Amino acid sequence: DSGVTQTPKHLITATGQRVTLRCSPRSGDLSVYWYQQSLDQGLQFLIQYYNGEERAKGNILERFSAQQFPDLHSELNLSSLELGDSALYFCASSTSGTSRETQYFGPGTRLLVL
Amino acid sequence: DAKTTQPPSMDCAEGRAANLPCNHSTISGNEYVYWYRQIHSQGPQYIIHGLKNNETNEMASLIITEDRKSSTLILPHATLRDTAVYYCIVRASNSGYALNFGKGTSLLVTP
Repeated sequence: DSGVTQTPKHLITATGQRVTLRCSPRSGDLSVYWYQQSLDQGLQFLIQYYNGEERAKGNILERFSAQQFPDLHSELNLSSLELGDSALYFCASSTSGTSRETQYFGPGTRLLVL
Repeated sequence: DAKTTQPPSMDCAEGRAANLPCNHSTISGNEYVYWYRQIHSQGPQYIIHGLKNNETNEMASLIITEDRKSSTLILPHATLRDTAVYYCIVRASNSGYALNFGKGTSLLVTP
């Protein structure tokens, strides 16, 4: 158990809909990362937050957005969903978000868009 | 970050040592070698990392060649629960924050 929690575990929705994925980092960790894992793309970095502020952006679509709240939990919002958004979404956390730190991953949310 | 090359798959008998190679011939002086693994769609799990000295922890050992162009992750007594995809990632200390997972090595531990 990494100490990172993600909800929900599974999500099934329809094209065009909007969903919110939630992540709670390990106690004491200030930085949160979001990754997407689809069958054809592997694990891809989406975005990083540190203490409420966006720090780095990866291959995140404009239809996707994220935020980190004062209690340090983070939410990833996916809108206008397409079939290709079906994937595993992982959240990771680290202490202060520097590149030398180990990232600890949550169990993921499996999203299925029908 | 330097590119890494790993074999796509490997087999190992339960109880034997699993030696997973990684080639990173373009590694530079400030880049660390990290290993993560992913067990069947679970979240990736940190295993170990090193710069130039060999490292050991409760999960594994990391052997880095003297020229640092390759490394080997050693699971000393593989169990069925070690069946997973293993990722070798090279990161600079001042690089971006994302972990660049490649395709990794799918390790199958057999009874």
